[in-house]
Amino acid sequence: EAQVTQNPRYLITVTGKKLTVTCSQNMNHEYMSWYRQDPGLGLRQIYYSMNVEVTDKGDVPEGYKVSRKEKRNFPLILESPSPNQTSLYFCASTGAGEQFFGPGTRLTVL
Amino acid sequence: GEDVEQSLFLSVREGDSSVINCTYTDSSSTYLYWYKQEPGAGLQLLTYIFSNMDMKQDQRLTVLLNKKDKHLSLRIADTQTGDSAIYFCAESMDSSYKLIFGSGTRLLVRP
Repeated sequence: EAQVTQNPRYLITVTGKKLTVTCSQNMNHEYMSWYRQDPGLGLRQIYYSMNVEVTDKGDVPEGYKVSRKEKRNFPLILESPSPNQTSLYFCASTGAGEQFFGPGTRLTVL
Repeated sequence: GEDVEQSLFLSVREGDSSVINCTYTDSSSTYLYWYKQEPGAGLQLLTYIFSNMDMKQDQRLTVLLNKKDKHLSLRIADTQTGDSAIYFCAESMDSSYKLIFGSGTRLLVRP
């Protein structure tokens, strides 16, 4: 079954404590991206990757890092999380004109 | 710049038709999408339309595109309680790349 998985699904953390949200896809897609969803703002792209070792900033990259060492994985890294990064995060994988979204990770930074 | 706008809320009675509207600003948009998000779930692609089309129908869903006015609508016929969700309009200039989302329209279907 084609899918995008994210872990963890829920996370509560404190300011400044580094965290990583993993994303994995099993469709051999080259293009992957991360979005955050906030009330009244829809989804905004954080980072994207067009292929292994190729990443670039989206619309709201500040405070985030990503890596793409292998095609299937695209982790999102928050080196020093802050409360304004409390949000719902979605990973997406694109192929054949369709974007497949992961189930989301709800992050709370206290 | 790119911008996609939607009304925030729509309430309809079960069995009626729902029409969710969306406007966008980027005239070079190539693809326009409708996504559905149920509570606690991710985004499900409902349908999409190429910018050179005026209309697309898929079972209970009808998408209308007015490219001149940069207006996109999603009509759901015979709306059911299971259609209650948030609906996002999104545009892209290339199907493989960044999507620009609207803020979402929350559809409430009353029994």
